[in-house]
Amino acid sequence: GAVVSQHPSRVICKSGTSVKIECRSLDFQATTMFWYRQFPKQSLMLMATSNEGSKATYEQGVEKDKFLINHASLTLSTLTVTSAHPEDSSFYICSARAWTVQYTFGSGTRLTVV
Amino acid sequence: AQTVTQSQPEMSVQEAETVTLSCTYDTSESDYYLFWYKQPPSRQMILVIRQEAYKQQNATENRFSVNFQKAAKSFSLKISDSQLGDAAMYFCAYLRDDKIIFGKGTRLHILP
Repeated sequence: GAVVSQHPSRVICKSGTSVKIECRSLDFQATTMFWYRQFPKQSLMLMATSNEGSKATYEQGVEKDKFLINHASLTLSTLTVTSAHPEDSSFYICSARAWTVQYTFGSGTRLTVV
Repeated sequence: AQTVTQSQPEMSVQEAETVTLSCTYDTSESDYYLFWYKQPPSRQMILVIRQEAYKQQNATENRFSVNFQKAAKSFSLKISDSQLGDAAMYFCAYLRDDKIIFGKGTRLHILP
């Protein structure tokens, strides 16, 4: 149990366009979802926390207008990278938490902006 | 200030041997959770072990065990009988304000 599906696994987009990444909890209701960013050979950096039906809380230094997060249901959160630029190229990982202290991670999305 | 510190960027261990990965953390809380996550080349984050701070007993999961020293704020991971499949990045993590905060990681190499 506690499976999180993240799509797409890889995406290449042109500079200036937007790209959406989906994070779904398949067999549980996620009260809270988290979005992380991981640069090559580095750790996971928390970008934002989203709760179903409310606005996301962004970590310091993360541009909320560039990284739009929507958590419309208890099983789906989306991250939209708007007006993407090459420096936004990274590995993005979502995580979902149920009522208990159990955090499950998606398989990640490798974003390349060309 | 960094909450979780992993002082070993890389480590190597011979197959079938035992290796210990170090982690220290900083907190003023008395009750919290600590984790070790494994990230293999696939980059999927896999929970290795979890420790609740109020529990005195060190957590164990098969070949993986921790040495939790609450007063010293130390949380090391011991891997016994190392296997080739254990090769990965290992992240120590702390749960703070409902958020998991990761250390910088230790890359573990298994030597055949």
